[in-house]
Amino acid sequence: GAVVSQHPSWVICKSGTSVKIECRSLDFQATTMFWYRQFPKQSLMLMATSNEGSKATYEQGVEKDKFLINHASLTLSTLTVTSAHPEDSSFYICSAREGKSAKNIQYFGAGTRLSVL
Amino acid sequence: DAKTTQPPSMDCAEGRAANLPCNHSTISGNEYVYWYRQIHSQGPQYIIHGLKNNETNEMASLIITEDRKSSTLILPHATLRDTAVYYCIVRTGANSKLTFGKGITLSVRP
Repeated sequence: GAVVSQHPSWVICKSGTSVKIECRSLDFQATTMFWYRQFPKQSLMLMATSNEGSKATYEQGVEKDKFLINHASLTLSTLTVTSAHPEDSSFYICSAREGKSAKNIQYFGAGTRLSVL
Repeated sequence: DAKTTQPPSMDCAEGRAANLPCNHSTISGNEYVYWYRQIHSQGPQYIIHGLKNNETNEMASLIITEDRKSSTLILPHATLRDTAVYYCIVRTGANSKLTFGKGITLSVRP
């Protein structure tokens, strides 16, 4: 299947600092990219959806000023957690899809584990 | 998108077939059934998807009932590495997003 690369795989940062996570589609053009968050023993929760060149659409309850998403090209999206706090510690997973049809497969990255001290 | 219902857990013996059920009784005609799995501390892995017909690939088979209200994912020869949480998701057309439920935890025992 197609490959979605996510970097870094884990990061530790101090409270109040910002962290950037990168997501790349390696062998296809990602028309749409998604960012999910997963807390321990819970399922994945969608945070936002972004289309290349457009502003991201955030799910209810997700602060867009805190979680900045940039989808500047068809192969790259970034998530920046600004002024991170311990409660932002979580597993962040990106996903990418080529095309908008329901038969277009959505592929996932390996995830980034963020620990905020 | 239609909701899905899966049992919370099941187990099977290594080498045997694992049959994972999913109920999606409110599925619409244009909604696809997708299966993903998540092995601990990794991102979800795509397994298979289908609309009406049964589907098979190198990982699994997907059997969709004629009324499309339920489906079964079949792992023909389960291995210990198949231990994971399996998610059954229905998804409709343009701009649709994958919404994850709790999934079913499959434990493959030696």
